[in-house]
Amino acid sequence: ETGVTQTPRHLVMGMTNKKSLKCEQHLGHNAMYWYKQSAKKPLELMFVYNFKEQTENNSVPSRFSPECPNSSHLFLHLHTLQPEDSALYLCASSPGTGNTIYFGEGSWLTVV
Amino acid sequence: AQSVTQLDSHVSVSEGTPVLLRCNYSSSYSPSLFWYVQHPNKGLQLLLKYTSAATLVKGINGFEAEFKKSETSFHLTKPSAHMSDAAEYFCVVDSGNTPLVFGKGTRLSVIA
Repeated sequence: ETGVTQTPRHLVMGMTNKKSLKCEQHLGHNAMYWYKQSAKKPLELMFVYNFKEQTENNSVPSRFSPECPNSSHLFLHLHTLQPEDSALYLCASSPGTGNTIYFGEGSWLTVV
Repeated sequence: AQSVTQLDSHVSVSEGTPVLLRCNYSSSYSPSLFWYVQHPNKGLQLLLKYTSAATLVKGINGFEAEFKKSETSFHLTKPSAHMSDAAEYFCVVDSGNTPLVFGKGTRLSVIA
């Protein structure tokens, strides 16, 4: 138990579907992150939120839409994804940006 | 600019023998350095971190790493490998004003 909880753990969706990934942290942290982990590729930072404000968007396609309603919750809304978007999506949090990052267990996404 | 190079994509050791996972970094500033471990189907777990205090850092599960500025290295070691150590290991550098940079990972196999 890392204090960062992701749901669902596994998701299969069609290319025309709309779905969302949810992340909740119970650590009192102010920064939250979405990372993408694909096979045989380095971990890719997607988005950073600090005190609910987006501070980093690492050239992520608009079919991925993040939402951070408060410092404890982070969503990743998915719409019209492509098969190459299939990956493990990792949520993480830290006390602030530049501090140690704590990861959730990830959401495995398969786009068919 | 900062970067991380994990020198081996795969390391295989016998149970009970020492583990050495190599990491070299490049950073314009005095960095913080981390090692994370990822077991199959799990998120990333922090093993240890260096933040400019003692150069020999002890982490969880008997792992330790030594920061060597002259060699720009932060190699991870363990005196005696256990079967449960089989996982993917990531070296990470943080220079404070840019997002964390992850290495490509080293897969550790432990042979009985």
